Amino acid sequence: NAGVTQTPKFQVLKTGQSMTLQCAQDMNHEYMSWYRQDPGMGLRLIHYSVGAGITDQGEVPNGYNVSRSTTEDFPLRLLSAAPSQTSVYFCASSKFLALRTDTQYFGPGTRLTVL
Amino acid sequence: GESVGLHLPTLSVQEGDNSIINCAYSNSASDYFIWYKQESGKGPQFIIDIRSNMDKRQGQRVTVLLNKTVKHLSLQIAATQPGDSAVYFCAENRLGGNQGGKLIFGQGTELSVKP
Repeated sequence: NAGVTQTPKFQVLKTGQSMTLQCAQDMNHEYMSWYRQDPGMGLRLIHYSVGAGITDQGEVPNGYNVSRSTTEDFPLRLLSAAPSQTSVYFCASSKFLALRTDTQYFGPGTRLTVL
Repeated sequence: GESVGLHLPTLSVQEGDNSIINCAYSNSASDYFIWYKQESGKGPQFIIDIRSNMDKRQGQRVTVLLNKTVKHLSLQIAATQPGDSAVYFCAENRLGGNQGGKLIFGQGTELSVKP
């Protein structure tokens, strides 16, 4: 299994541009989530999904959209990038977080800079 | 609210000593807690977890203690090694929408092991 994969590893955008961060997992996990990590801070939850077709907002959802059309993929879309969205983005998955028996496994991250 | 800062709390220990990393959580309804280790340039890696019906859980060289009365969590690392140098995060699970849980991360503590 490849686990959780993220692309790209690095990205530079100009203010106002849009892009999609890709996340995929091959573990048949139901739960997937996106976090952002800023310097000196812990991870903050952006959006999460408990299964295909179901998404919910986390702590900091503004400026980001998600969809979950398949179990494997959970892309994160920035519709109009802003400098405040400069951060490292992590995708994570678990079998089903609500059961409290599985932890989340993280991808390697995407480092995004918005100029 | 969430603390904001550019500088992580740091803990410096001598190789072979025991390390204790502390974490306070805010929501008395949280019932599942996880410790993660994050090395530079990588995603968080699961270390150990504990449910709220337990006070203590041991793994290999690591022990997590939970004090629900004061909402405090600690991670003890025995015989700390240079490879333990990393940032350590505690995370609490909270109920989210659609029967899903939401992991809320603490700020993190940077552990530095001196040879």
